[in-house]
Amino acid sequence: GESVGLHLPTLSVQEGDNSIINCAYSNSASDYFIWYKQESGKGPQFIIDIRSNMDKRQGQRVTVLLNKTVKHLSLQIAATQPGDSAVYFCAENTSGGTSYGKLTFGQGTILTVHP
Amino acid sequence: EAGVAQSPRYKIIEKRQSVAFWCNPISGHATLYWYQQILGQGPKLLIQFQNNGVVDDSQLPKDRFSAERLKGVDSTLKIQPAKLEDSAVYLCASSWAGGGTGYEQYFGPGTRLTVT
Repeated sequence: GESVGLHLPTLSVQEGDNSIINCAYSNSASDYFIWYKQESGKGPQFIIDIRSNMDKRQGQRVTVLLNKTVKHLSLQIAATQPGDSAVYFCAENTSGGTSYGKLTFGQGTILTVHP
Repeated sequence: EAGVAQSPRYKIIEKRQSVAFWCNPISGHATLYWYQQILGQGPKLLIQFQNNGVVDDSQLPKDRFSAERLKGVDSTLKIQPAKLEDSAVYLCASSWAGGGTGYEQYFGPGTRLTVT
């Protein structure tokens, strides 16, 4: 669900479980979506992206699903590992007819993986 | 390849003082971004450069924030005078081309600013 300020959504899983992190985006004109992972004291790190003309894309242990009808994005992590513990952000890109898109980040979800 | 470099990593100043952050993007990346990340929130774009020109500064508080990217490589972000609400992590990112074309943005480690 939505949270404000310091109350980020949290997800706790056991090592080896599958994780699903959800994100609602706001702009129906957004044409490109990215998931980022951010560990403490580091900048966001690219995980996977998807264009608006797709509804699913798979990477190594990760899958992104896009539902444009309800403006929903999800990140699935298979066989979650302790090293996956971090804050996960979705970001939407809106080109607005220009070559220079603008990324708008969601608030983030804290994923904690227990050994 | 070397990543995006930022300095300093931490900075503590008093309100009304000025501060500057430096960013060196990945070699060859034409586009450079500065983001502000307040604790518990996602990064918010402040300004985007394409080479040494500004393509988006709509969310930059121009009365106190300024940024430049001379020669289209390194960039500096300045705050003068700082306010308490400027306490945040300032992230620099770079990409091969404009973000709308799907080129991945690479982020630096950020500068954590505390204004007291």
